[in-house]
Amino acid sequence: EVQLVESGGGLVQPGGSLRLSCVASGFTFNTYWMHWVRQAPGKGLVWVSRISSDGTSTSYADSVKGRFTISRDNAKNTVYLQMNSLRAEDTAVYYCSPDPGYSYGQFDYWGQGTLVTVSS
Amino acid sequence: DIQMTQSPSSLSASVGDRVTITCRASQSINTYLNWYQQKPGKAPTLLIFGASSLRSGVPSRFSGSGSGTYFTLTISSLQTEDFATYYCQQSTTTLYTFGQGTKLEIK
Repeated sequence: EVQLVESGGGLVQPGGSLRLSCVASGFTFNTYWMHWVRQAPGKGLVWVSRISSDGTSTSYADSVKGRFTISRDNAKNTVYLQMNSLRAEDTAVYYCSPDPGYSYGQFDYWGQGTLVTVSS
Repeated sequence: DIQMTQSPSSLSASVGDRVTITCRASQSINTYLNWYQQKPGKAPTLLIFGASSLRSGVPSRFSGSGSGTYFTLTISSLQTEDFATYYCQQSTTTLYTFGQGTKLEIK
């Protein structure tokens, strides 16, 4: 059974930093791309970032480029999202999801999400 | 970036109705188009991938079609559990994008 457990969310002041983690199990982690998707309260889904299976290739939405960094530790089956210079508009539930990279880029599995609140 | 535009943004319908939601891409995405359902307080769930392939376990009343820039999600006979928000998502470029969502409500 695929499981994705996100953690690291919380309340942070504008300009602050947080590091989110997503621990994966139930699939061969080191063969999958991993993505982060977020959802602001009452709003729609927004793709944030992805990282290749070996960690050498990354992509970011324009809204987070230069502030967020995605990384992974295949030995720990974990993907991270380092979020710096946080803004109120980064307030959202953050989900991680795996992507096999050879299909249609669909997100078959999602975690429960971790809530990030940026507020003073 | 490729923009995805869903219509309508909201829709009221009754149990048993046939409904169609549309998703348009700002440029051709072939069939790299996926559909999700999301209920309040829950993570999204995948319904359709590759524009028309039904995910295993998803009821056959759901169907998807389209290619290029125009796509549809159809629910042939609405059930109570189908009232939710639906999103399309493209994955043809390195920057994935979602549509803004369509909220399906009970009439």
